[in-house]
Amino acid sequence: GDSVTQMEGPVTLSEEAFLTINCTYTATGYPSLFWYVQYPGEGLQLLLKATKADDKGSNKGFEATYRKETTSFHLEKGSVQVSDSAVYFCALRRRGTSYGKLTFGQGTILTVHP
Amino acid sequence: DADVTQTPRNRITKTGKRIMLECSQTKGHDRMYWYRQDPGLGLRLIYYSFDVKDINKGEISDGYSVSRQAQAKFSLSLESAIPNQTALYFCATSDEPGTGWFDEQFFGPGTRLTVL
Repeated sequence: GDSVTQMEGPVTLSEEAFLTINCTYTATGYPSLFWYVQYPGEGLQLLLKATKADDKGSNKGFEATYRKETTSFHLEKGSVQVSDSAVYFCALRRRGTSYGKLTFGQGTILTVHP
Repeated sequence: DADVTQTPRNRITKTGKRIMLECSQTKGHDRMYWYRQDPGLGLRLIYYSFDVKDINKGEISDGYSVSRQAQAKFSLSLESAIPNQTALYFCATSDEPGTGWFDEQFFGPGTRLTVL
């Protein structure tokens, strides 16, 4: 079945540090890929998405590129802020499914210190 | 006001009790979902509904039931709660996919349920 694997957390960084959160996937066919963010006490919000190979999703300074050859969708940000502290989820949706089933990774907790 | 609301936000109950979690949305979406979140496991789909008359099991529906009372309301019930149902529960909604067949899901703030 489909699966998403994220790097182990938690990740602790200082403000303005470079962030990478690794995500790899296994899926039948050609899925769409997403990053969701969950701020403390809130529900998940879509951060960015990519629907085909070599697509780059970007939002709020975060970027991720759909790499079909390595089945990866790593999240990056050049300079993190304290306000980026949250849980980040990588997810996929298989193309052609009749409902919006998302397969999530286990989540990576990010803490950014001033 | 939030587009997707969940009540209660926190609940502690005892083994064997019946409990209902409620979700309401003002986004006008037809599709609604219930997920549970466990540490280290991400989110897993419990049930989903495409409209009031269409309800489907997700990957972990055992021990749960749902009711779609209206387009805007989707409730999750635990008929006889057990401790391993302690988790964070999220409701989500989405619209019909457009030409890009992507239907973004919008999540509520979650209900933290503890079963003693």
